[in-house]
Amino acid sequence: GEEVAQTPKHLVRGEGQKAKLYCAPIKGHSYVFWYQQVLKNEFKFLISFQNENVFDETGMPKERFSAKCLPNSPCSLEIQATKLEDSAVYFCASSQSGLARPGELFFGEGSRLTVL
Amino acid sequence: QKEVEQNSGPLSVPEGAIASLNCTYSDRGSQSFFWYRQYSGKSPELIMSIYSNGDKEDGRFTAQLNKASQYVSLLIRDSQPSDSATYLCASRRGITGGGNKLTFGTGTQLKVEL
Repeated sequence: GEEVAQTPKHLVRGEGQKAKLYCAPIKGHSYVFWYQQVLKNEFKFLISFQNENVFDETGMPKERFSAKCLPNSPCSLEIQATKLEDSAVYFCASSQSGLARPGELFFGEGSRLTVL
Repeated sequence: QKEVEQNSGPLSVPEGAIASLNCTYSDRGSQSFFWYRQYSGKSPELIMSIYSNGDKEDGRFTAQLNKASQYVSLLIRDSQPSDSATYLCASRRGITGGGNKLTFGTGTQLKVEL
C-alpha cells in the first residue's frame, strides 16, 4: 500500500504476558525500522530489516524482544514477558533503497502498548 | 551527551513570524539530516531532508546545515497555528543506501500564537 500500516493501534497486556505488533511497509520499500517512543519524545531505535534480513539489531533488548520480516507477510515485533517499562508507542517506518531521497523514513501511526 | 541535541522548548512565536528551530549533533560521521513534525498523539511526518552544507528551501520551510559546526536548523516562515507541534531533528550516517538508522533528538515544541 501507500502507507505504513501498523496493527493493533492499542494493546493492553498484564505484566509477564506476550505482546505482538505488526507492520506492513509501503509497497516497494526495502527497509523496515522499529522504534520505541517513551516519555513523549524519546525515540529509541530497536531494529531494522532489509527485506527479510536483519540489517541492524543494535537497539534490541535481546532477552525478551524479537522481530521478523517474512516474505509476503507483515513484519512483526514480539515482546515476551512484558514489563511495565515496555509501555510505549512502537513505531514502524519504511524507506526505499533508491538514490532518490535516501534515508527518508515514512512512519506508521504507531501501536500503543500499555503494560499493567 | 546525546547524539542529537535540541532545546525542548516550548518555543512560542506569534502568527506570521519566523520560527527558528535548532539542532546540534555529536557524531561527525553523520551525513544526512532530517526534520520531522509530530503532532500530539500522532506519528512523525517528514518535512525536510538535507544532505549538503547550505540552505534548502521547500515552501515556507528552510533547512540549514553546517557540518563544520555540526549544526542543523529549520526556519518556518509565516508561522501558522497549524504549525504548532513538536519538531524532531534526526541524523543518519551515510548519504546513499536505505538501511542506516536515524538518530532522533528529543524534539522542540513549537507554539504559534494568534
